[in-house]
Amino acid sequence: DAGITQSPRHKVTETGTPVTLRCHQTENHRYMYWYRQDPGHGLRLIHYSYGVKDTDKGEVSDGYSVSRSKTEDFLLTLESATSSQTSVYFCASQGDLEYEQYFGPGTRLTVT
Amino acid sequence: AQSVAQPEDQVNVAEGNPLTVKCTYSVSGNPYLFWYVQYPNRGLQFLLKYITGDNLVKGSYGFEAEFNKSQTSFHLKKPSALVSDSALYFCAVRRSNDYKLSFGAGTTVTVRA
Repeated sequence: DAGITQSPRHKVTETGTPVTLRCHQTENHRYMYWYRQDPGHGLRLIHYSYGVKDTDKGEVSDGYSVSRSKTEDFLLTLESATSSQTSVYFCASQGDLEYEQYFGPGTRLTVT
Repeated sequence: AQSVAQPEDQVNVAEGNPLTVKCTYSVSGNPYLFWYVQYPNRGLQFLLKYITGDNLVKGSYGFEAEFNKSQTSFHLKKPSALVSDSALYFCAVRRSNDYKLSFGAGTTVTVRA
């Protein structure tokens, strides 16, 4: 598997607080992605990046922002967490010469 | 737009029997198709992909999948299931000129001893 780590692995936060999740990859992959996984919905794309400082919205981007200042790091920020953002968040990356994405271990976020 | 349907939420089979997990897709242009597996409290692991060429593709852990363009399907198969194959399986699709994947809702496979 590609070297992708996510931090934190678990987080409990209160409604209205900001939260930042970090994804770090060591494969020098150009493309990086943030998904959320919810029962009955599979994985849904939140935001993705196609290079440093190049990002775009996915299908469920409301309430989330991202930043990518280095190739290896992709940050997901919940500006003001809501209970509907309780989910498991996965980061993935893909190289230019590869077809498949490689996934991190996930972050379980609970918003109380 | 692109989408994936996995019509079965759950599939239950006995160990040693054939396993099939169904997937149909909708995409404009040539599809790239993927299967991933997720074990409890883990990330997704890549199993196999169809890009072009032979309609029958082979992947990890003895899994294979058949691409059927006329039926827009990409069913995952294993001739003889193992208890250790019990997991959540996702089908995904993207267009050949795009880097964004769309996933199905997932199928939980339970293999009983």
